[in-house]
Parts: sequence; structure tokens; C-alpha cells
Amino acid sequence: DTEVTQTPKHLVMGMTNKKSLKCEQHMGHRAMYWYKQKAKKPPELMFVYSYEKLSINESVPSRFSPECPNSSLLNLHLHALQPEDSALYLCASSQMGLDRSYGYTFGSGTRLTVV
Amino acid sequence: AQTVTQSQPEMSVQEAETVTLSCTYDTSESDYYLFWYKQPPSRQMILVIRQEAYKQQNATENRFSVNFQKAAKSFSLKISDSQLGDAAMYFCAYENNAGNMLTFGGGTRLMVKP
Repeated sequence: DTEVTQTPKHLVMGMTNKKSLKCEQHMGHRAMYWYKQKAKKPPELMFVYSYEKLSINESVPSRFSPECPNSSLLNLHLHALQPEDSALYLCASSQMGLDRSYGYTFGSGTRLTVV
Repeated sequence: AQTVTQSQPEMSVQEAETVTLSCTYDTSESDYYLFWYKQPPSRQMILVIRQEAYKQQNATENRFSVNFQKAAKSFSLKISDSQLGDAAMYFCAYENNAGNMLTFGGGTRLMVKP
């Protein structure tokens, strides 16, 4: 299995809703990432998990809450979002150490619309 | 912090011809990795080619090759024999020495004319 699977593919939520994005990989990668991508812009790093521990939080608002229950699974919990949070949310994974040169594997993303 | 710059927001190429996409970056590190990713309308980011900074030899992957100039901090992508399926957004990306951060350039939209 050489894929990163993200669910759902599309999500519409109200500003008072609570929802979660899910990301799964079975490549044995020990680093996992959340990126946010606005239209016609590059992805922007949100969170990095290394060996299931949060290692980087790029000053993301607390209405985004990441969770890494195990080495294969990464969640992003959403609460009280704003319309400007509407974007494509990409999950990625990578090897650590000497194997990291193989690059990141990305999922196909969740298109989030906040209404 | 590292920065990555792609100076061409859009490029156009005729099918079967060759096109070069430009990328420059700024870093104080001596060891790092550089990548080109392709993002078609399907949204999935696909790794096209990678280059280790400590290797002087330019990476090649079928019709894709790079011109890596470490001193000039330049990393361009050449696509030979362009195909309609090459049409996409192309992102240049820098991975830091610690291996925990991938920084993207602003992207170049490539159009391929039949």
C-alpha cells in the first residue's frame, strides 16, 4: 500500500459544528503532516507529528485540533470554524532519518467549505 | 527560515516540445533536499523528481530532469516531449536538514497546447 487516504473528500459545515478529518497510511511512515491550501496558492504547513508526537504547530488557531492516535492514523478536529477556513486540507506522510529523501506522499485532500 | 520562489506564475508549451520551469531558494543550510511536485485538477500532489543537495549530478526521471545549481541556489525543472497529461500546477519544494518541514514555492501553472 503506497497511498495516503483522506476522508471525507468533501465537507460542508456550519460555524457552530464539530467535525473531524481523517488521514490514514500503511507505509510505515513515522512522520505525518497537515497542510492547508487555498485556491491557486501553495500548501501551508499546519502541524507535524513525528513518532506520534506533535513536533511542529505553525501557530494554528485552537479551533483546529490535531490528534495522532497511532502511527498510521492522523485526525484533524474542527470546531467553531470561520468562513475563511474554507480550503483544501492535505495530509501527507514521510519516512524519517536517512530514508527521508524519498519525499512526502500526499493524500488527495478534503475540500472543506464553512458556511 | 527558508524561502522558495517560482518566478513564472504561468507557462505554456506546445505538445511534444520542451519547457523549463524555474525555481530559486534561499537557505543557510548545506544539506537539504529539493523536490518538484505536480498537482493536477484532481488535487493530489504527485512527486515528480527529487534532488539531494550533496549530489552534484542532476536528477533525471524519464522525461523530467533538473538543473541544480547549488551555489546559485537554483533548481529548474525541464520537461521534454511535453504531453497533454503534463498540464498541471507545478510546485518546487525545499525540505530542511532536520527533515521535518517542506516549504513550497508559489507554483507555476503549466498549460500544454495540442
